[in-house]
Amino acid sequence: QSALTQPASVSGSPGQSITISCTGTSSDVGAYDHVSWYQQYPGKAPKLVICEVSERPSGVSNRFSGSKSGNTASLTISGLQAEDEADYYCSSYTSTSTLWVFGGGTKLTVL
Amino acid sequence: EMQLVESGGGVVHPGGSRRLSCAASGFTFSNYWMHWVRQPPGKGLEWVSRIKGDASHVIYADSVRGRFTISRDNAKNTLYLQMNSLRVEDTAVYYCIRDGDRYDFRNWGQGTLVIVSS
Repeated sequence: QSALTQPASVSGSPGQSITISCTGTSSDVGAYDHVSWYQQYPGKAPKLVICEVSERPSGVSNRFSGSKSGNTASLTISGLQAEDEADYYCSSYTSTSTLWVFGGGTKLTVL
Repeated sequence: EMQLVESGGGVVHPGGSRRLSCAASGFTFSNYWMHWVRQPPGKGLEWVSRIKGDASHVIYADSVRGRFTISRDNAKNTLYLQMNSLRVEDTAVYYCIRDGDRYDFRNWGQGTLVIVSS
């Protein structure tokens, strides 16, 4: 069982917006703004799309945005495109002895 | 262009050992913290270990502490993960990652698959 909780799947039609939630605790998501999100295509390595809750690394589309409220972080993808279909993972720095934790991943299907 | 290339994966028996390597290029390797993150087939990601640029500080996940050892050779621009007392549950793709200085996993290698099976 993963330390952070994500929905197993979400879906949306092209052009729509979707939001993926990531729920942790007061030891991780709630304690730090060190939440990041990763996009992973089948058979490929993950790619960073959001860091520090809401910052976009260079080269990442501005259709990707992040936010946080309390112990829950969220990734929003606007103007859905077919190429957004992938697995998405959240991660947070934590005050526990295992410094980083991940969510179980969310499969995004573009209908 | 920066690149991380892992090697050393394969099949190993339970209780056995394996050493993974990660060859880095395209950046000043010694300036960066490096991580190992693993992903069991069909499952999610798990952080494994981190090492400081000068190797003066290392830390491990609870699940591997005492069995795995992270190290680096800055003269060879290479990161290592020595894995001992391997268990079936250590079966995973192991990724080498350059730290992003923002508490994130910025740049990933392609991964190397370790299968622990009798």
